[in-house]
Amino acid sequence: GAGVSQSPRYKVAKRGQDVALRCDPISGHVSLFWYQQALGQGPEFLTYFQNEAQLDKSGLPSDRFFAERPEGSVSTLKIQRTQQEDSAVYLCASSSRRMYGPFNTDTQYFGPGTRLTVL
Amino acid sequence: DAKTTQPTSMDCAEGRAANLPCNHSTISGNEYVYWYRQIHSQGPQYIIHGLKNNETNEMASLIITEDRKSSTLILPHATLRDTAVYYCIVRVAVNAGGTSYGKLTFGQGTILTVHP
Repeated sequence: GAGVSQSPRYKVAKRGQDVALRCDPISGHVSLFWYQQALGQGPEFLTYFQNEAQLDKSGLPSDRFFAERPEGSVSTLKIQRTQQEDSAVYLCASSSRRMYGPFNTDTQYFGPGTRLTVL
Repeated sequence: DAKTTQPTSMDCAEGRAANLPCNHSTISGNEYVYWYRQIHSQGPQYIIHGLKNNETNEMASLIITEDRKSSTLILPHATLRDTAVYYCIVRVAVNAGGTSYGKLTFGQGTILTVHP
């Protein structure tokens, strides 16, 4: 079946521009995650949604970063007034479980990412 | 959060088994070990996960020591397409918004190079 898709795959922005990155999770997955991956580093957690509720945004680096998932499916990560340090690959992942328990599992499946370059 | 330690890089000959070690000495009893890999310019790909018992699927085997302080990912017959960064992750339960979810914290991973 279809996996997680992201668009655009590549985005070039001038410093100060706003950008919007889209994530289409696997159909029916209630959990959605955004990650930021700098060059040569592992992905770093940004935010977590359960359906339309943003339950954890502790990883967002500044108030210029905003994520939404209004209908509990597609999600958008918006970055306002982009800076050069925002250049990175932005990854989206989804998983199926509604609830997490100590002995339950919920595997995250990742999209291909959007490579953002801020000039 | 439980942290993992992996070698920075490893080499493997094509057709041989690749054994990738991971230390997670501070893991808690309810925390799963997950392995992902990331091929250049792609998103991380799930490989396998386990709690206590050894696990095997079509991609790999996961061997977890009895004390759960370390594990080994085994690719039984490595191919050139297995060249990637391999991440060993201890998934931690996080309480947020009145519920819990499993959070993945990626480290630097192991760069596995499979050569002809």
